[in-house]
Amino acid sequence: KAGVTQTPRYLIKTRGQQVTLSCSPISGHRSVSWYQQTPGQGLQFLFEYFSETQRNKGNFPGRFSGRQFSNSRSEMNVSTLELGDSALYLCASSLAQDTQYFGPGTRLTVL
Amino acid sequence: QKEVEQNSGPLSVPEGAIASLNCTYSDRGSQSFFWYRQYSGKSPELIMSIYSNGDKEDGRFTAQLNKASQYVSLLIRDSQPSDSATYLCASFSGGYNKLIFGAGTRLAVHP
Repeated sequence: KAGVTQTPRYLIKTRGQQVTLSCSPISGHRSVSWYQQTPGQGLQFLFEYFSETQRNKGNFPGRFSGRQFSNSRSEMNVSTLELGDSALYLCASSLAQDTQYFGPGTRLTVL
Repeated sequence: QKEVEQNSGPLSVPEGAIASLNCTYSDRGSQSFFWYRQYSGKSPELIMSIYSNGDKEDGRFTAQLNKASQYVSLLIRDSQPSDSATYLCASFSGGYNKLIFGAGTRLAVHP
């Protein structure tokens, strides 16, 4: 089975721009969770989608949003980028409320 | 905010020794616990999950859970230089598929 895929792998943006990241879960997995990883804050939960519905949301500003499509693929969007948004963004897939498998991540640099 | 705590290390052990990694958690309601390994510049990779009190063994790895003490540990037997990585402890807390991660323990195995 193919693993979790994320695109793009690397992104460089400037402050004020917006960005969209994509995640394709493992085939058959319906839950997609997103995390942000920074050296200072570690891994932090952004949100989780299951069957196109956001079921859970972390403590991030409204500039961070996401959605999930009927094929379980998910996107997250960050608007009005700030320098502090530079991070590794990780997507994880799972069947339901169970073991999560991470994709390779998208490294976002905001200049 | 429920927390997961780990000693950041680095934990340095000689090749062939047993590495012992520890983790405590604050949410008494947590039922599922996970150990991930993360190499520098890569995404987290699942090593083990544990749900019941006691030990769970998988090859050179043994996870131990003590819910009364709110303590999870990971033992790595016959440590190899390739085990050098950051080890992340995580548990579900705060709703659907929200993993709370510790800051991670950096392990260095020297020849």
